[in-house]
Amino acid sequence: DQQVKQNSPSLSVQEGRISILNCDYTNSMFDYFLWYKKYPAEGPTFLISISSIKDKNEDGRFTVFLNKSAKHLSLHIVPSQPGDSAVYFCAAFLFQGAQKLVFGQGTRLTINP
Amino acid sequence: GAVVSQHPSWVICKSGTSVKIECRSLDFQATTMFWYRQFPKQSLMLMATSNEGSKATYEQGVEKDKFLINHASLTLSTLTVTSAHPEDSSFYICSARDLTSNIQYFGAGTRLSVL
Repeated sequence: DQQVKQNSPSLSVQEGRISILNCDYTNSMFDYFLWYKKYPAEGPTFLISISSIKDKNEDGRFTVFLNKSAKHLSLHIVPSQPGDSAVYFCAAFLFQGAQKLVFGQGTRLTINP
Repeated sequence: GAVVSQHPSWVICKSGTSVKIECRSLDFQATTMFWYRQFPKQSLMLMATSNEGSKATYEQGVEKDKFLINHASLTLSTLTVTSAHPEDSSFYICSARDLTSNIQYFGAGTRLSVL
């Protein structure tokens, strides 16, 4: 049972344009959502997070939007830069219980010059 | 942001030997740390949750006698792969959650190659 889904395995965007990465979840009880960026043979790097009580969080070029009614979140990167090329994972967890992060499958973002 | 240090970054060992991987939270205390394994072209797979001062909680299908976890202090957790075999070759990543921010930070990972 995949509780967090990233339905696009890959995305290609032109440099300078907006990159939009999407993530859907099934468990409406999730309290917190995070986005990570990962390069091959490295651990994930935290990018930005959002609490379930908010609908938007912004940090520099990165903005995360949360639509609780649709159980959907998205990461916007603008403007996209070549260094943004990586695999992006969304993740969610519950404050109650085991507090384990549940990851999506990842989306490979390629920024074209 | 907070830093999680993982060591070593790469290790090669002979089949049958044991390998220890260390994970440290450098600027925050972590009562809970997590150990993941990543297979090629797949997402991270949680192996176990390491709890300071108590036994680790293992995910289904993970052999606790093979992957020994010790969380001796609020900043250090270790994963020991005992009697390693070639099929244990993988990329292992540790993680720790900063309770003040609820952000889970990851180490850089350890590439284990068992010959």
